[in-house]
Amino acid sequence: EVHLVESGGGLVQPGGSLRLSCAASGFTFSNFWMSWVRQAPGKGLEWVANIKQDGREEYYVDSVRGRFSISRDNAKNSLYLQMNSLRAEDTAVYYCARDHGYTRDYWGQGTLVTVSS
Amino acid sequence: QSALTQPASVSGSPGQSITMSCTGTSRDIGGYNYVSWYQQYPGKVPKLIIFDVSNRPSGVSNRFSGSKSGYTASLTISGLQAEDEADYYCSSYSSTSTHWMFGGGTKLTVL
Repeated sequence: EVHLVESGGGLVQPGGSLRLSCAASGFTFSNFWMSWVRQAPGKGLEWVANIKQDGREEYYVDSVRGRFSISRDNAKNSLYLQMNSLRAEDTAVYYCARDHGYTRDYWGQGTLVTVSS
Repeated sequence: QSALTQPASVSGSPGQSITMSCTGTSRDIGGYNYVSWYQQYPGKVPKLIIFDVSNRPSGVSNRFSGSKSGYTASLTISGLQAEDEADYYCSSYSSTSTHWMFGGGTKLTVL
């Protein structure tokens, strides 16, 4: 059974940094692109970034490009999101999701990031 | 880039069929057959119910169906049930710098 478990969320001040992690199990992690998707409180879903199987291609939504960095460790079956220069508008639940073809078929439970002073 | 456009809410009675729309542009829905739909209950994780416009993942009820015409994708739920009351989000691949677009979501109310 596919399992994705995010961690690393919390309260951070504007301008601060946070690193999210996603532990994957139940499938061959190295065979799949992986994504981060976020959802601000009471709002809709927003794709944030994704990364190719070997980590050599990364894509970002315009609002986070240059501030966030996605990475992965296939030996540890783990996905990461390094978030720098955080802003209040980055406050959201961050989901780790598996890319399958042109969709996200499995999602983790999410981790809440709150940017506030 | 703006999100895909979905109606804020739709409603229907048990047993009825409803259709909700998702409108994009030539750079997303109109250009590719890579539309997905997700169902999300309050406080819960989104669940994939339709991918590649009209395909259902294993285990998803055949009461859910998807289609596309031009720049608009649609999700139809037939034989509406109380358990279908949830938020529904569409998503599409995009040729813009934002590779993946989501709609703003539609809240389905079962009357």
